[in-house]
Amino acid sequence: KNQVEQSPQSLIILEGKNCTLQCNYTVSPFSNLRWYKQDTGRGPVSLTIMTFSENTKSNGRYTATLDADTKQSSLHITASQLSDSASYICVPRFSGTYKYIFGTGTRLKVLA
Amino acid sequence: SAVISQKPSRDICQRGTSLTIQCQVDSQVTMMFWYRQQPGQSLTLIATANQGSEATYESGFVIDKFPISRPNLTFSTLTVSNMSPEDSSIYLCSVDREETQYFGPGTRLLVL
Repeated sequence: KNQVEQSPQSLIILEGKNCTLQCNYTVSPFSNLRWYKQDTGRGPVSLTIMTFSENTKSNGRYTATLDADTKQSSLHITASQLSDSASYICVPRFSGTYKYIFGTGTRLKVLA
Repeated sequence: SAVISQKPSRDICQRGTSLTIQCQVDSQVTMMFWYRQQPGQSLTLIATANQGSEATYESGFVIDKFPISRPNLTFSTLTVSNMSPEDSSIYLCSVDREETQYFGPGTRLLVL
């Protein structure tokens, strides 16, 4: 069964600190992997997208890594801000299709 | 990028009634996607809507319950029929453009 598991489920950090969110997936065949940020009550917004041949991709303070061999990805947030409080969702895509498998997300809370 | 709007943004409905959700995109797209996000859960694809053809439904979703229209390349509707409290969810419209998936703001539905 194709699955996406994210850890931790929730995380609380202080403003200015760094954090790393983990994603393990079993989607196969695999095309690309995206990380989304979803604010409460809003639709998800794309942060990064990586193909199976890419190891890392940055978008400002967000850096995603991908190990296609072990089927693991991570999202590192540097110098967190209050506005980073949201759910972060890992989404691998089946090769050759438009189908995405959404992880359950990590709920991040940044405190002042 | 893609700008997507949805109407209504939220609604409270009585069981047994139906609600039609509208999705408008700022430019033409071939495929539009409808997702459901139940409370505390990840996104689940309901169906894919192509202009000029019947929508393609994912396992567990049927046309009688979730009829979809796609009259042109910038607009789609999703109807949630004969609602029950289990249909209380956020319903999101999405499009793919230039390898990025864009989401509407969602329609928050509560069924009493």
